Amino acid sequence: EVHLVESGGGLVQPGRSLTLSCAASGFTFDDYAMHWVRQAPGKGLEWVSGITWNSGSRDYAESVKGRFTISRDTAKNSLYLQMNNLRVEDTALYYCARLQLLADYFDHWGQGTLVTVSS
Amino acid sequence: QSALTQPASVSGSPGQSITIGCSGTDRDVGGHDFVSWYQHHPGKAPKLLIFDVTQRPSGVSGRFSGSKSGSTASLTISGLQAEDEADYYCASYRSSANYVFGTGTRVTVL
Repeated sequence: EVHLVESGGGLVQPGRSLTLSCAASGFTFDDYAMHWVRQAPGKGLEWVSGITWNSGSRDYAESVKGRFTISRDTAKNSLYLQMNNLRVEDTALYYCARLQLLADYFDHWGQGTLVTVSS
Repeated sequence: QSALTQPASVSGSPGQSITIGCSGTDRDVGGHDFVSWYQHHPGKAPKLLIFDVTQRPSGVSGRFSGSKSGSTASLTISGLQAEDEADYYCASYRSSANYVFGTGTRVTVL
């Protein structure tokens, strides 16, 4: 069974950094592209970033480009999101999601980890 | 990066059918058949309901169906049940390897 478990969220001041992790199990992690999606309080889902199976391509939403970096560690079956220069508007529940092979939809999601940016 | 447009809320009585629209452009919904739909109970992991406009993953009830006309995709829930009360989001691939979600629709079962 596919499991995605996010961690690393917390309360952080504006301008500071935080790194989120997503531990994957139940499937061959190396085969799949992985993504981060967030939901701000009272708002809808927003795609944040994605990385291909071999880290050959990394993409970002305009709202986080230049501040966030996505990466993965195949040895640890883990996905990461390094978030720098955090802003109040980055406050959200961050989900990791698996992109189905040779497709453009997210077939499995984690439960999310909450990031709160506040002074 | 503008979101796809969905109605904020839709409601129906048990047993009825409801349809949720998802309006985009020819850069996303209208440009290909990579439209998906997700059910989201707040605080839980979103669940895939429909992919590639009309396809239903195994395990998803046949009461959920998808369609598309031009740049507008639709999700229909037939035989509405109390457990269907949730938020629903459409999503689409957009050019430059980006993805975009809809604004979300809260479904209420009366």
